Amino acid sequence: DVKVTQSSRYLVKRTGEKVFLECVQDMDHENMFWYRQDPGLGLRLIYFSYDVKMKEKGDIPEGYSVSREKKERFSLILESASTNQTSMYLCASRDFGYGYTFGSGTRLTVV
Amino acid sequence: DQQVKQNSPSLSVQEGRISILNCDYTNSMFDYFLWYKKYPAEGPTFLISISSIKDKNEDGRFTVFLNKSAKHLSLHIVPSQPGDSAVYFCAARPLNNNDMRFGAGTRLTVKP
Repeated sequence: DVKVTQSSRYLVKRTGEKVFLECVQDMDHENMFWYRQDPGLGLRLIYFSYDVKMKEKGDIPEGYSVSREKKERFSLILESASTNQTSMYLCASRDFGYGYTFGSGTRLTVV
Repeated sequence: DQQVKQNSPSLSVQEGRISILNCDYTNSMFDYFLWYKKYPAEGPTFLISISSIKDKNEDGRFTVFLNKSAKHLSLHIVPSQPGDSAVYFCAARPLNNNDMRFGAGTRLTVKP
């Protein structure tokens, strides 16, 4: 089974801090994704990557950046954390089929 | 602009009865549809999918129906069990496109 691992389950950060969320997958998948989940809004796509060093903006990229230096690792960066970025962050990876495998999520609280 | 809509934020059913979760979409380019199940503090897990060339797909207690003309799909769970209590997300993606769109989710509660 594919495993997608997010390094932190819970994070508390201060406003203005630079925050790194890490995601690693172990099945050599080409495509990786970052979503955030908010009540009433479902999962919204922040960024995705279809290859090393490649990235594409999703629906809500503002305030975020990403890094994909190695195929197995996709990092989400909050350049200057704000309280409206308090959310559940979900990483996913996908092979050439249609299904995604999600990590367990990182619940980020910005105070 | 939500291209995938789940208009019921919650649903409560009795154990053993049928659960029906609904989903509507607006993008006619969507050709593959999925349902994910999510427990608290866990990532969503794939449940069942259907391609646009079919109108029904069944897997054990779970059946997904697709009505392309109405741009509507539904997930039926029969019989419902307390362990089915979770948030269910509907998702859709176009052919040859990397990004999948999700609905807002429906929280299903199955009462013993």
